Amino acid sequence: SQQGEEDPQALSIQEGENATMNCSYKTSINNLQWYRQNSGRGLVHLILIRSNEREKHSGRLRVTLDTSKKSSSLLITASRAADTASYFCATRYNNNDMRFGAGTRLTVKP
Amino acid sequence: ETGVTQTPRHLVMGMTNKKSLKCEQHLGHNAMYWYKQSAKKPLELMFVYNFKEQTENNSVPSRFSPECPNSSHLFLHLHTLQPEDSALYLCASSQFGTSGSTDTQYFGPGTRLTVL
Repeated sequence: SQQGEEDPQALSIQEGENATMNCSYKTSINNLQWYRQNSGRGLVHLILIRSNEREKHSGRLRVTLDTSKKSSSLLITASRAADTASYFCATRYNNNDMRFGAGTRLTVKP
Repeated sequence: ETGVTQTPRHLVMGMTNKKSLKCEQHLGHNAMYWYKQSAKKPLELMFVYNFKEQTENNSVPSRFSPECPNSSHLFLHLHTLQPEDSALYLCASSQFGTSGSTDTQYFGPGTRLTVL
């Protein structure tokens, strides 16, 4: 399978804590993207990191990419109850296709 | 959320029914996608249309039939479905450039399909 795999499957934290989710993949990629999905809704793009980048920031989000280990991590700092959602990594390995993982279900308790 | 719209949002159908899902994108993109999302499983890419031409069909059963009349509209025609086809069906769009690269996909809210 060429799709990414998120870890852990589920994560529960208190508001204010940091949340870290990981994604591993098996083949060389052009870029890796993280998406968020609220229950029963569509996915929303959060951040994209290219294969020649190692770290990117966007607000409270920090993404790292280690191509030697074929892994990426998404860190959400100072989490809020509104961050409760499922988070997916997507790996793009050709020009018009992306593979999504099964996601990490994050619950942030107020 | 108004960039990509999907109708209906919920659909219940019997195994002998024929129904269609509709997707419309208002972003000027030239590539559109159908995904199937089942509980606790990765998103499954079903169909890809690039410049209105189908470029990928990931071994989807023939009871699912896509149609892309123009770059803004995408349909998924459903016929004699099975209960295991019950899922959230998501449409997405993106911009496919001359270099062949695509980046962000924009998703619709999905159609929750239940097959009885």
